[in-house]
Amino acid sequence: SAVISQKPSRDICQRGTSLTIQCQVDSQVTMMFWYRQQPGQSLTLIATANQGSEATYESGFVIDKFPISRPNLTFSTLTVSNMSPEDSSIYLCSVDPLGGLSTDTQYFGPGTRLTVL
Amino acid sequence: QQQVKQSPQSLIVQKGGISIINCAYENTAFDYFPWYQQFPGKGPALLIAIRPDVSEKKEGRFTISFNKSAKQFSLHIMDSQPGDSATYFCAATRSGTASKLTFGTGTRLQVTL
Repeated sequence: SAVISQKPSRDICQRGTSLTIQCQVDSQVTMMFWYRQQPGQSLTLIATANQGSEATYESGFVIDKFPISRPNLTFSTLTVSNMSPEDSSIYLCSVDPLGGLSTDTQYFGPGTRLTVL
Repeated sequence: QQQVKQSPQSLIVQKGGISIINCAYENTAFDYFPWYQQFPGKGPALLIAIRPDVSEKKEGRFTISFNKSAKQFSLHIMDSQPGDSATYFCAATRSGTASKLTFGTGTRLQVTL
């Protein structure tokens, strides 16, 4: 398994500003993922972040809005840019410790609850 | 992303009863089906998972039943307890696709005394 922490745990932001969310893992992992969970809704994959390569974004999500960094095997950041109230969600990072080679098991961080006013 | 349909949206079960949550998928290439449990204010936690080479997997009070021909799978929680009250998500993925999980819409379970 993997222990994942996220910062901040929650934040309230003004529209038009940006927020960077940090994700720290207690072990080296190849694959990290960023999800969005809108209030009372399911999880939607934003992008896959592998160390040493550009993040791969899912349909409906673009790099200009959600830039991602992956500087090493234990850390990643997601920035929510030029925020609007529609960006109010829980943002979760997850990791696949085995890099998708075997169990395809993902472990999730506690999430960052973002409210945009 | 391919869709995974989950029902019911919410479920109320008495303590000691059986909770049943159902999911159906479309993509026949999916070959790994995990269930996640999420408590308020927490991230989802892996509960139990199954691959299509077996029709049932049991871990304690939690059982997954899998019907490959119908493209359906379900979670059964036996002897449901108030501590099981949470939101449950089914998910599906295809091995070798960078573990991209497609989630169901979630079921909010409440176990009453």
